[in-house]
This record gives sequence, structure tokens and C-alpha cells, in this order.
Amino acid sequence: GENVEQHPSTLSVQEGDSAVIKCTYSDSASNYFPWYKQELGKGPQLIIDIRSNVGEKKDQRIAVTLNKTAKHFSLHITETQPEDSAVYFCAANRRRALTFGSGTRLQVQP
Amino acid sequence: DGGITQSPKYLFRKEGQNVTLSCEQNLNHDAMYWYRQDPGQGLRLIYYSQIVNDFQKGDIAEGYSVSREKKESFPLTVTSAQKNPTAFYLCASSPPRDNTGELFFGEGSRLTVL
Repeated sequence: GENVEQHPSTLSVQEGDSAVIKCTYSDSASNYFPWYKQELGKGPQLIIDIRSNVGEKKDQRIAVTLNKTAKHFSLHITETQPEDSAVYFCAANRRRALTFGSGTRLQVQP
Repeated sequence: DGGITQSPKYLFRKEGQNVTLSCEQNLNHDAMYWYRQDPGQGLRLIYYSQIVNDFQKGDIAEGYSVSREKKESFPLTVTSAQKNPTAFYLCASSPPRDNTGELFFGEGSRLTVL
């Protein structure tokens, strides 16, 4: 089955700096790669996603890149703000469900 | 407002008791999912259902059961056979199969076994 690995598990940055979170996946049939943000005590919310026919997608301060050959994809957050502090999960689709990475706790220091 | 409602938000259970977590959605989504979240382990798939009266086991189905009698409802029962049931449980749904595959999550239910 699909296996998704995510790094780092924790990330601390200064406000205004960039943050990068990386994921690898194992199933070459996966073609949908979303990123979710989870705040304390809440359910995850989709922040950006990318399909396998695209190499990069950007939405304001957030971007995702995908390298199908290497089977890895990354989340880039620029000009980080304290409200970006949360746990971020990457995921890849497998059949009709998503397999999630283990999460990255991002702390943005003011 | 359209969304996914999970209840209860917090639940305490004694060892040996079954407990049922509720998940209701009014998004008219076909597919529904249950995930378990433990610290440092991300989200792991318990069960999912693509249509009414049909469901499939996920990666960690042992000790759990589900039903899908109505499109909008997908309750999860944590049975006494689940060895380590204390966790945060998340229900999700997704639009019809020709859509994105995006999951919409509820706010979760935290189960603690005493």
C-alpha cells in the first residue's frame, strides 16, 4: 500500500522567514497530493493541493512542488506569520482514500 | 451551514465497554471516512464508505465497526476488542467520485479510556 513519509517533525522559524516541509510517497499510481493544516483541537483543513500533471502550484504565500520521478513533494510557506503556527500534514491518494504523513509542527516565533 | 458534525467532542469510557461516535454530514457527499490520530503518527484510516450500505476496512480496522444506512450518517463503534482505544477520532467526507478527492473533516471526537 501507499506509504507517505514527512520531514521534519518539528520546525521553528522566525516571523518573516520561509518554511519548507518535505514528503515522499511510495505508490507510483498516486496522482493527488493535498496539504492540510490542523490547529489545536480541530479537524484538518485543506490549504493547497496538486495533481500529478502539474509540477508546481502557488496560492499567495503558499506553494507546493511535485517531482513525480523522485516521488516527492514539498510545501513552501513564505513570509511566515504567527498564525501559520499549526501542524501540517501531507497526503497522497490510494484507491479512494488518502494516506497521510506523520505531520510537522510549525512554530513561527514573533 | 453545510458541514460535518461529530459528537460527542469528548468521551470517557471504562475498559470493556463499547462506545459509538457519531458523524453526520449535510454536504451531500457520497464518500465518508474515519481516521484515528495519535501523537506523532499522523492520521490512520480505520474504515471508509463510498456509497450507502457499503464500506471497506482501512489500515487499522481491528476492534472497530461501522454502518452506512443513510448517506448523511457514518457512525463508528469502538468495541472492547480495540486494545488501545484512547485517541482523537476524525470523520471526513468527500464529493462524488468525479471530483477532486479533497476530504472535508469534522472537528473530531476525543475518546479516553479510564
